Amino acid sequence: SQTIHQWPATLVQPVGSPLSLECTVEGTSNPNLYWYRQAAGRGLQLLFYSVGIGQISSEVPQNLSASRPQDRQFILSSKKLLLSDSGFYLCAWSRAGGMYNEQFFGPGTRLTVL
Amino acid sequence: AQSVTQLDSQVPVFEEAPVELRCNYSSSVSVYLFWYVQYPNQGLQLLLKYLSGSTLVKGINGFEAEFNKSQTSFHLRKPSVHISDTAEYFCAVRSVGGSEKLVFGKGTKLTVNP
Repeated sequence: SQTIHQWPATLVQPVGSPLSLECTVEGTSNPNLYWYRQAAGRGLQLLFYSVGIGQISSEVPQNLSASRPQDRQFILSSKKLLLSDSGFYLCAWSRAGGMYNEQFFGPGTRLTVL
Repeated sequence: AQSVTQLDSQVPVFEEAPVELRCNYSSSVSVYLFWYVQYPNQGLQLLLKYLSGSTLVKGINGFEAEFNKSQTSFHLRKPSVHISDTAEYFCAVRSVGGSEKLVFGKGTKLTVNP
C-alpha cells in the first residue's frame, strides 16, 4: 500500500529565517506531487505541482520554492520567511495518467512564523 | 477553468440529526467530483467521489452525495450524524481529460453537538 510522510509535524520559525519542509511517498512510482497551504478560513491553496523529477509548476507567485530531487521526494523551501507564510502545509500525491486522479494527502506541517 | 462554491462555512447540528453540506461547481466541460474530510490538525481523507454512472454516490462513514448536472451541484448528506463527524469538509472538482489538478472549495466546518 501507499503511504505519504511529511516532516516536521510542527515548526516555529522567526521572520527572515529559511524553511525546508519534506514530503516522501512510498509504495508507488512516478506520482504527481502537490504542495498546498491552508490558512485559516481560506481553504486549500495549491502552491506547487510536479509531474516528474525536476519538473515543478508554480501556481502562486511568492517567496516559496519547491524541488523534486527524487521521484518520490518533494521539498518546499524558502530563503526568508514572512509572517504571511504561517499556515498548515499539506503534501499530496496522485497516480499519474489515471482517469480520475484522486489525491492522497499527508498529515501536514503546522508552520508558525513569529 | 473550474470553480467550487461551498455555500455554508459553518454548519452546527445536533447528534443523530440529518445533515446536508452544499457544494456547487462551475465548469464548461465534464467533471469528476470529490468530497474530502479533514479532522483537526490532520490531512485530508477522501470520503467519496463521482466519476460517472449512478448519480448517487456512497462513501465512507455513512455519507453519500448526489451529482446533479443540471444544477451543477454535488451535495453531501448523512441521515444521522455522530459527534465524531465533527470536522471540516471540502468539495473538489477536476475536469475530465484536462488538468490533473483539483480545485477545492473553501470548506464547511461541521460541528455536531450532543
